[in-house]
Amino acid sequence: GAVVSQHPSRVICKSGTSVKIECRSLDFQATTMFWYRQFPKQSLMLMATSNEGSKATYEQGVEKDKFLINHASLTLSTLTVTSAHPEDSSFYICSARIQADEQYFGPGTRLTVT
Amino acid sequence: AQTVTQSQPEMSVQEAETVTLSCTYDTSESDYYLFWYKQPPSRQMILVIRQEAYKQQNATENRFSVNFQKAAKSFSLKISDSQLGDAAMYFCAYRRPNEKLTFGTGTRLTIIP
Repeated sequence: GAVVSQHPSRVICKSGTSVKIECRSLDFQATTMFWYRQFPKQSLMLMATSNEGSKATYEQGVEKDKFLINHASLTLSTLTVTSAHPEDSSFYICSARIQADEQYFGPGTRLTVT
Repeated sequence: AQTVTQSQPEMSVQEAETVTLSCTYDTSESDYYLFWYKQPPSRQMILVIRQEAYKQQNATENRFSVNFQKAAKSFSLKISDSQLGDAAMYFCAYRRPNEKLTFGTGTRLTIIP
C-alpha cells in the first residue's frame, strides 16, 4: 500500500517558538493532503485541506495564521505551528489522497510545548 | 452536514470470540463510501475495510466483515476470532467522492486473553 511519512515523530519546543512538521507521500503523488489534530482519547479533528500549488482550506475555528500549511509539491506538505503555546500540544496527523482514491495516513507527530 | 455516530465508547471481547462494533450515519446523499479504521496504541491509522454505498454486497477482509444497511444508515463491523492484536480504537468514517472524511467518535476495543 501507499506510504505516508511524517517528520519529526516527536518534537518538544519552548512556548513562543515555531515548529514545522513535514508530511511526505513516498510512493505516490498526492493531489490532496489533509492535516488532523487528535487529543487524547478523542477522534481526529480535521484542521485543513490542501491541494498542491493552492492555498489551504481551513476548517471553521482553526486559526490559519497560527497553523500555516504549505503544499509545495505533489509529495510534500508542511504544517508550521507559529508562536506555539502549551495549548497547542497535541498529536498531529497528516493524510494524503490520490484523486478519487483512498486516503493514506502518516504515523503522526506528537508536539509538546513547554 | 453528515454525521457519524458510534454509540459504544468501549467494548471488550474474549480472545477468539466475535464482536460487533456499531456505527450509524446521517446523509441525504446516495453516492458515498464508508470505512472502518483501526488506530492501535502506535496511533497509526490503518484502513480495516471499505464499503461503496452502491454495492449491496457487504465488504469482507479476512476476519473483518461489515453489515451495511443502507436504508437504516447502519454500518457495523464484525470481528471474528478476535486476536490480541485487534485491541485498538476503531473509527467509523463516511466520505463523499473527492470530499473530506467524517469520523465517528471511536470505540475502544479491549481483547481479554
